[in-house]
Amino acid sequence: EIVLTQSPATLSLSPGERGTLSCRASQSVGSSLAWYRQNPGQAPRLLIHDASNRATGIPGRFSGSGSGTDFTLTISSLEPEDFAVYYCQQRYNWPLTFGGGTKVEIK
Amino acid sequence: EVQLVESGGGLVQPGGSLRLSCAASGFTFRDWGMDWVRQAPGKGLEWVSHIAADGTMYYADSVKGRFSISRDNAKNSLHLQMNSLRDEDAAVYFCVRSGFEYWGQGTLVTVSS
Repeated sequence: EIVLTQSPATLSLSPGERGTLSCRASQSVGSSLAWYRQNPGQAPRLLIHDASNRATGIPGRFSGSGSGTDFTLTISSLEPEDFAVYYCQQRYNWPLTFGGGTKVEIK
Repeated sequence: EVQLVESGGGLVQPGGSLRLSCAASGFTFRDWGMDWVRQAPGKGLEWVSHIAADGTMYYADSVKGRFSISRDNAKNSLHLQMNSLRDEDAAVYFCVRSGFEYWGQGTLVTVSS
């Protein structure tokens, strides 16, 4: 099973600031990595698939990069709805796995 | 508009069984793989199971041998039969279309005596 480690566990930022989230895989997942945002009481929302491709309707302030074992999600300027929990997910092989999450909170 | 609506959650005793269902609409169900993902209260996401369009199935190790995924293409529905339930199976269970762009709102499973 591929283990995904997200860091930091919590990120304290102000609205308008830039956020950088990390996801590291225990073995290569190629580019088969996705990112999600989950707001309280809601289902997760797909932000990025295949490491760097924005999902339908996702604004340009979200960008993904990386390949192999190291990946980054960057939010260029935080909006109020971006204060949430973020998860990465590998789709390289079965079983699919998620990282433990990064909480982005208001500083 | 793609819609996924889960049902069947509830309170069950340890060792009991429950069958979750997901009603799908707004897309050609038979052409898509489907997944179940769960989230224990206050915890992260855990992938549970996948059924491909051709019926191939995959399971997380934590549920293998206890849970069974199935689909009914005539009724556009997805199911998860959960047997031998444990405390650690308590969670909100989400029905997800493969690609993970579309999620249901989830159904809560509580395991308690």
